[in-house]
Amino acid sequence: GQQVMQIPQYQHVQEGEDFTTYCNSSTTLSNIQWYKQRPGGHPVFLIQLVKSGEVKKQKRLTFQFGEAKKNSSLHITATQTTDVGTYFCAGRGQAGTALIFGKGTTLSVSS
Amino acid sequence: DAGVIQSPRHEVTEMGQEVTLRCKPISGHNSLFWYRQTMMRGLELLIYFNNNVPIDDSGMPEDRFSAKMPNASFSTLKIQPSEPRDSAVYFCASISGGSLSRDTQYFGPGTRLTVL
Repeated sequence: GQQVMQIPQYQHVQEGEDFTTYCNSSTTLSNIQWYKQRPGGHPVFLIQLVKSGEVKKQKRLTFQFGEAKKNSSLHITATQTTDVGTYFCAGRGQAGTALIFGKGTTLSVSS
Repeated sequence: DAGVIQSPRHEVTEMGQEVTLRCKPISGHNSLFWYRQTMMRGLELLIYFNNNVPIDDSGMPEDRFSAKMPNASFSTLKIQPSEPRDSAVYFCASISGGSLSRDTQYFGPGTRLTVL
């Protein structure tokens, strides 16, 4: 079945450094979503990418969807302590099917 | 908007007991999802409903787990009998709008279940 893999599993950075998490799917995706879960919280939707090669930005966060629609990345520029949490990608295969979540990348930031 | 509501927020029970988790989706959402989250396995989809009808329950681990959605505003996930390995955080999520293909999921705060 469809699998969504995320790397790295954990990442620790100093405040101000950049951070990137990568997401790879075993199959072509119709769209991909990114969620953030703060410690002790629940996943919160960040963004959705649909088009091949799409790039979207939210302030210091940059999201990319690969040309083949099988991979995606989230890049955070100049991390802040408020960026701490686990970032999940979630891919959807065929239209109308449920999202498959990656295992997430847990980011810690020291000041 | 109250968001997705789950109860209880915490549940501690003994092995063999029945556990019922409850979820109220956001009003107007017509798809509802149950997830289980553990450190080892991450976020796993257990089952989802569309217009109160179960669409895919292939993620339900075994017959001890059952889920119902008697109406558009309420769903339950039941574990009977519970086992220690069922200890996890269980999330409910609902979809805004009517398109399963594109819409984002709104998660509830979760129920932290501990089975002793």
